[in-house]
Amino acid sequence: GAVVSQHPSRVICKSGTSVKIECRSLDFQATTMFWYRQFPKQSLMLMATSNEGSKATYEQGVEKDKFLINHASLTLSTLTVTSAHPEDSSFYICSARDRTEAFFGQGTRLTVV
Amino acid sequence: GQNIDQPTEMTATEGAIVQINCTYQTSGFNGLFWYQQHAGEAPTFLSYNVLDGLEEKGRFSSFLSRSKGYSYLLLKELQMKDSASYLCAVRDLGGRGSTLGRLYFGRGTQLTVWP
Repeated sequence: GAVVSQHPSRVICKSGTSVKIECRSLDFQATTMFWYRQFPKQSLMLMATSNEGSKATYEQGVEKDKFLINHASLTLSTLTVTSAHPEDSSFYICSARDRTEAFFGQGTRLTVV
Repeated sequence: GQNIDQPTEMTATEGAIVQINCTYQTSGFNGLFWYQQHAGEAPTFLSYNVLDGLEEKGRFSSFLSRSKGYSYLLLKELQMKDSASYLCAVRDLGGRGSTLGRLYFGRGTQLTVWP
């Protein structure tokens, strides 16, 4: 079964609103989780590294005030897309790692209308 | 920085063998991964190489040459269900907020298997 659960799988929201995506590690404690974004026919682009109990580390070019990450526990990280715009429509995927392997959530298809 | 290159598309017929190449240039290397991704789904792990050589796993094998910055994924006895995108990913040494290395992905190779 899945070791990383991501919710929701699909969401449609109006432009200007905020959307929260949850990522949970089910079988292990993840002090670090990663958030990726994938546009159609493109690869996964690392957005940020989420660390339990501390601030997230963002990749160059990713707006930290727009993509808020909270990693409040060892099993949960959330990504909030604030003031969403149509260009934020994408496939968002989280990943949690144990010592050897990265496990991916099912992904969230965000559509901003 | 990371620069990972792989072909955009490949086609093959059922039962055949296909090799998907990946070249990379990284500022720090701590392993190379191959993932399979079907449209609209999350990637699934296929293989991992950190030392030079060939790793075999059933119908899938992956090769790594660190000195050449080169890897390939070999798929044997192709089946229709193998039609998917294959992602090459390089793990760095960590740092900048993570003691675990971060994974950086290539653009993916879309493989189409014909009957």
